[in-house]
Amino acid sequence: EDKVVQSPLSLVVHEGDTVTLNCSYEVTNFRSLLWYKQEKKAPTFLFMLTSSGIEKKSGRLSSILDKKELFSILNITATQTGDSAIYLCAVDSGGFKTIFGAGTRLFVKA
Amino acid sequence: DTGVSQNPRHKITKRGQNVTFRCDPISEHNRLYWYRQTLGQGPEFLTYFQNEAQLEKSRLLSDRFSAERPKGSFSTLEIQRTEQGDSAMYLCASSFGGRAEQFFGPGTRLTVL
Repeated sequence: EDKVVQSPLSLVVHEGDTVTLNCSYEVTNFRSLLWYKQEKKAPTFLFMLTSSGIEKKSGRLSSILDKKELFSILNITATQTGDSAIYLCAVDSGGFKTIFGAGTRLFVKA
Repeated sequence: DTGVSQNPRHKITKRGQNVTFRCDPISEHNRLYWYRQTLGQGPEFLTYFQNEAQLEKSRLLSDRFSAERPKGSFSTLEIQRTEQGDSAMYLCASSFGGRAEQFFGPGTRLTVL
């Protein structure tokens, strides 16, 4: 069965810390890996990764994919309280189905 | 606002009642997805439409659940004879063409008493 596993499930850090969120996957067909941020409501898209070793960056957030080892990491540097959210990893298997992990709940203390 | 919208935002119902939720996707998006999310979990795929055709259904979607997308625009998700286990956030998302990134609506939170 296809699955996406995220770790840690929750994380508490202080403002200014750097965090690394992990996502591993086992799917029959892989097309892309996506990261979303979910605050109180709907997930919002962060990154899409399709190729190994190419880092995607947006401000203080960056992500990279390893298709050989079947994992991805999301880094957040100089964390701020506004980064507090659930970070979801998802795999698009190309069969119209997107498989989400359970998410990592990040809480950034002021 | 041209994002994905969902109505109602909250629904409280008694066990055994039927409920219907509506999703209006981004207008040029031809793909529409329904997910269910419970506390501490990521969204679970329920069903997918490409234009008006329902192309994929999860085995989570029991025969009490039905979804439609008439004319390939808005979509409805109906749950018949609701059970307490149906209590969850129901999320709708849309995407354009073959692009993997989906745009989510704010969700409908269902509470079954």
